[in-house]
Amino acid sequence: NAGVTQTPKFRVLKTGQSMTLLCAQDMNHEYMYWYRQDPGMGLRLIHYSVGEGTTAKGEVPDGYNVSRLKKQNFLLGLESAAPSQTSVYFCASRERDRVTGELFFGEGSRLTVL
Amino acid sequence: AQSVAQPEDQVNVAEGNPLTVKCTYSVSGNPYLFWYVQYPNRGLQFLLKYITGDNLVKGSYGFEAEFNKSQTSFHLKKPSALVSDSALYFCAVRDQILTGGGNKLTFGTGTQLKVEL
Repeated sequence: NAGVTQTPKFRVLKTGQSMTLLCAQDMNHEYMYWYRQDPGMGLRLIHYSVGEGTTAKGEVPDGYNVSRLKKQNFLLGLESAAPSQTSVYFCASRERDRVTGELFFGEGSRLTVL
Repeated sequence: AQSVAQPEDQVNVAEGNPLTVKCTYSVSGNPYLFWYVQYPNRGLQFLLKYITGDNLVKGSYGFEAEFNKSQTSFHLKKPSALVSDSALYFCAVRDQILTGGGNKLTFGTGTQLKVEL
């Protein structure tokens, strides 16, 4: 059972470089989310998607873009990386109809921007 | 907006002793509360949730949480701690309904639990 898979797990970028994080889930979940985790700040929602072809901004969307071309994949892009984007990024998914259902998380992608 | 607070950055417990990880919440309306655990270099895993009903909620790995409406608290507990329980624990509350459906979870800042022999 793969669940939620994130790639890559680690990446080092220079300021101004671009990259894409890939999230793939095999549970047929409608909802997918990208969070960032920073020390002492918990998890903050970057972008989310409620279905294939739809995306929306979370609480900290600046500097990031996302796409959901296929139901199972949710991509997070950084067009011009900044040191403030050094963080651990988590993708999560959940079922559509369970309003109070739990989130399933990937193992995280650790990004360092120099 | 809804919020949760975890007042302790770290909790140290001896193996075999009971443990408590504290969480208080601030919500308008009925609270939907969650606990997640994060082991080193892993994603968060769901432990338990309170939606309605009994104030004592049982979850995975022998954990339970007590919902206290008058004190606006949702403390995580375990009668006998194990070294393997050492991890980062997050309290979360269901926040606003997002555009298009679904809901946003607002997480606390996390509490590092360390269980020692």
